[in-house]
Amino acid sequence: QSALTQPASVSGSPGQSITISCTGSSSDVGTYDYVSWYQQHPGKAPKLLIFDVSDRPSGVSDRFSGSKSGNTASLTISGLQAADEADYYCSSYISTTSPYVFGTGTKGTVL
Amino acid sequence: QLQLQESGPGLVKPSETLSLTCTVSGDSITNSFYYWGWIRQPPGGGLEWIGNIYYSGNTYYNPSLQSRVSLSVDTSKNQFSLRLKSVTAADTAVYYCARRYTHHFDFWGQGTLVTVSS
Repeated sequence: QSALTQPASVSGSPGQSITISCTGSSSDVGTYDYVSWYQQHPGKAPKLLIFDVSDRPSGVSDRFSGSKSGNTASLTISGLQAADEADYYCSSYISTTSPYVFGTGTKGTVL
Repeated sequence: QLQLQESGPGLVKPSETLSLTCTVSGDSITNSFYYWGWIRQPPGGGLEWIGNIYYSGNTYYNPSLQSRVSLSVDTSKNQFSLRLKSVTAADTAVYYCARRYTHHFDFWGQGTLVTVSS
């Protein structure tokens, strides 16, 4: 059960857009539309941003959007704000016997 | 309003057993829509899924921890618990409990730091 691969860091200026990738395999991201994304500020618990590849929970800004192509899922943050500076993790369903794996995490920086 | 609160010792000796409890308020742990889970995060590291449990006692574990971990549920107290045996320094982490809905974790506890040290 290897972690999904994310870039270590992504940065952008206020108002710009950034995209964070999450690469898995045909056994996880490539097969199931059960990719979720979490935002974590320092010292805080993760917060759900996106589930089922592209759905947003109630209360999450529409500046956050998700997509998937093949074995890679992506999180896009548009209209970048200072409050978006945080760590971001993806997660995918794998199988009924060992259901979940997280990504390696990406530090998002607002320049 | 849903709240999850982890509790347990913050310091565990090597080779001993780590035990944590998550108390759920604002929802019933017997709600059929949800599983309940544990995730951990070593200092400066990423998230690692530990396992999930349903109120009936049905469990799923991370294969890398399966030989050492067990989850249990106490519906009368609206709690679920984690036991991790034979701990080493590598088990030092912030441990989070969370609610799982379909295939994502929609609510998380604040987390509790457990340090493994003699």
